[in-house]
Amino acid sequence: SAVISQKPSRDICQRGTSLTIQCQVDSQVTMMFWYRQQPGQSLTLIATANQGSEATYESGFVIDKFPISRPNLTFSTLTVSNMSPEDSSIYLCSVAGELAGSSYEQYFGPGTRLTVT
Amino acid sequence: QKEVEQNSGPLSVPEGAIASLNCTYSDRGSQSFFWYRQYSGKSPELIMSIYSNGDKEDGRFTAQLNKASQYVSLLIRDSQPSDSATYLCAVTGGFKTIFGAGTRLFVKA
Repeated sequence: SAVISQKPSRDICQRGTSLTIQCQVDSQVTMMFWYRQQPGQSLTLIATANQGSEATYESGFVIDKFPISRPNLTFSTLTVSNMSPEDSSIYLCSVAGELAGSSYEQYFGPGTRLTVT
Repeated sequence: QKEVEQNSGPLSVPEGAIASLNCTYSDRGSQSFFWYRQYSGKSPELIMSIYSNGDKEDGRFTAQLNKASQYVSLLIRDSQPSDSATYLCAVTGGFKTIFGAGTRLFVKA
């Protein structure tokens, strides 16, 4: 399976600012996803990061708030814009696809713990 | 709306016992089924995948799938305290994966 890293691992940010989270994979992967996980809750898919085109967002998530880039098959960024305390969460990237081992098996990065004050 | 349901638990079993975790899903077109283990403060880790009806065994873990009943289960034999974690069921239909809320498992030494 692919090795996935995320930066930063954690951050404390002031409301109204923005934070960009990076996800780096050690091999090329077809699919990359961004999730949010509130404490004690399950995973909520924010968007699918598409290489070379605009991300596909899930209901309730918009590009202005969560812009995503994916310039190649090994790297993606998620920006949390104009943050409020409600954005405090763990943000996870995951990868899937044949190059990661299987078409639908997802492998997760270590996560970014974001606290907004 | 497509859903994946799990008993939130906590499920408590003694060391050495069999832990049984259950999951139901609403989309009959679902094709792929997964179990993830998540330790507190860590990210989810894929432990089992199953794609066809029946049982699939991997070490102490057995995944069971019944598409007619829209039911997936995970059995953990000889449970160990290190198995204490939250177990997430995930179901994929098309290119969309939906995660259940997870079942917390405690294995008592």
